[in-house]
Amino acid sequence: AQSVTQPDIHITVSEGASLELRCNYSYGATPYLFWYVQSPGQGLQLLLKYFSGDTLVQGIKGFEAEFKRSQSSFNLRKPSVHWSDAAEYFCAVATPERNTPLVFGKGTRLSVIA
Amino acid sequence: DAGITQSPRHKVTETGTPVTLRCHQTENHRYMYWYRQDPGHGLRLIHYSYGVKDTDKGEVSDGYSVSRSKTEDFLLTLESATSSQTSVYFCAISLAGAPTDTQYFGPGTRLTVL
Repeated sequence: AQSVTQPDIHITVSEGASLELRCNYSYGATPYLFWYVQSPGQGLQLLLKYFSGDTLVQGIKGFEAEFKRSQSSFNLRKPSVHWSDAAEYFCAVATPERNTPLVFGKGTRLSVIA
Repeated sequence: DAGITQSPRHKVTETGTPVTLRCHQTENHRYMYWYRQDPGHGLRLIHYSYGVKDTDKGEVSDGYSVSRSKTEDFLLTLESATSSQTSVYFCAISLAGAPTDTQYFGPGTRLTVL
């Protein structure tokens, strides 16, 4: 079965600094990949997704992610973090051949300091 | 806004009592999901549905049952609640007709079992 690993449980960055959140998956073929954000007390909101094509994907709120097949990774990046980006971020993977629901990583909590 | 509502939003109950959580969608989306979210575990799929009276188990289905008697409602039942079922429960839907597509989430239900 496919799985998703988010190696960092908690990351702290300074406001204005760049951000990279890591996501690795295990799956033999090309999966569908997603990043979601969850603000405190809220549901999950889709940031971006990759199905095929250009491996650099742009999302909402200034986020982007790059699919690297050779590294089985789909890392999320933002060039300049704002205090409002403090939240929990989840990577998810789906396997089109198996037609089964998304599998989520355990999440990375982002703290932003002044 | 995918038009998903969950009720109740908060519930406190006692061990051994039955509990039913409701997920309602305003459009006729085929796929609906129930997840639980716990610290350190991310989101874990409990059950999902791919049509009226069509359901399947997820990763953590023990102790839970579901029903879908009409397209717009997906019910999650804890027949005899236990303290280990204290969690935040999220309902989700897929806008497209496949479980591998993007999921959109409801606001969540916080359940406490004493």
